[in-house]
Amino acid sequence: ETGVTQTPRHLVMGMTNKKSLKCEQHLGHNAMYWYKQSAKKPLELMFVYNFKEQTENNSVPSRFSPECPNSSHLFLHLHTLQPEDSALYLCASGNPGGYLSGANVLTFGAGSRLTVL
Amino acid sequence: AQKITQTQPGMFVQEKEAVTLDCTYDTSDPSYGLFWYKQPSSGEMIFLIYQGSYDQQNATEGRYSLNFQKARKSANLVISASQLGDSAMYFCAMSPLTQGGSEKLVFGKGTKLTVNP
Repeated sequence: ETGVTQTPRHLVMGMTNKKSLKCEQHLGHNAMYWYKQSAKKPLELMFVYNFKEQTENNSVPSRFSPECPNSSHLFLHLHTLQPEDSALYLCASGNPGGYLSGANVLTFGAGSRLTVL
Repeated sequence: AQKITQTQPGMFVQEKEAVTLDCTYDTSDPSYGLFWYKQPSSGEMIFLIYQGSYDQQNATEGRYSLNFQKARKSANLVISASQLGDSAMYFCAMSPLTQGGSEKLVFGKGTKLTVNP
């Protein structure tokens, strides 16, 4: 497989469930990202991992727990979510290198559409 | 803080005609990058074109060109010879280009483009 793969593509869960979203990239990138896309709102950056280390947590509630075991895999563990957490969760990968390296073009997966009942 | 504004919630264009999607931005960063992404109904964000704030010439990629006017802080996307497959959501995004930074992307709310046959 190539690119960024996200599973599952669709997920329905109750507020008391625990589930996980998975993301895998085959591009050799060093950084991985979680974005949340809600209806009629801009994409919101949630977390950034660079070389497996978390470098950004954009004030995300603790009911979202990311995990990055290596540069190719990223998980988002979900527990006791709220209905307002229903959204499309997009994973991306890239190579941030600073302005001397030029643009860091992110490659996105197709997303995991989450519905919280 | 960075901000991206896309004032056109929806646009319509006839097949084979050109269309311009507007994007204005606000930032205090001295160097930054501007991006356009396309999101078809399948959900995946597809990178289209990039413009660096230091680039003297406007970027072009096939049928896509970016009309960059730095003084006006605008980065409009021009799609020439529209095709039915161009129907999608289009997002403008920017990131600072700071040495050692994670270069997180900030997105606008998007413009829904519909190409009519």
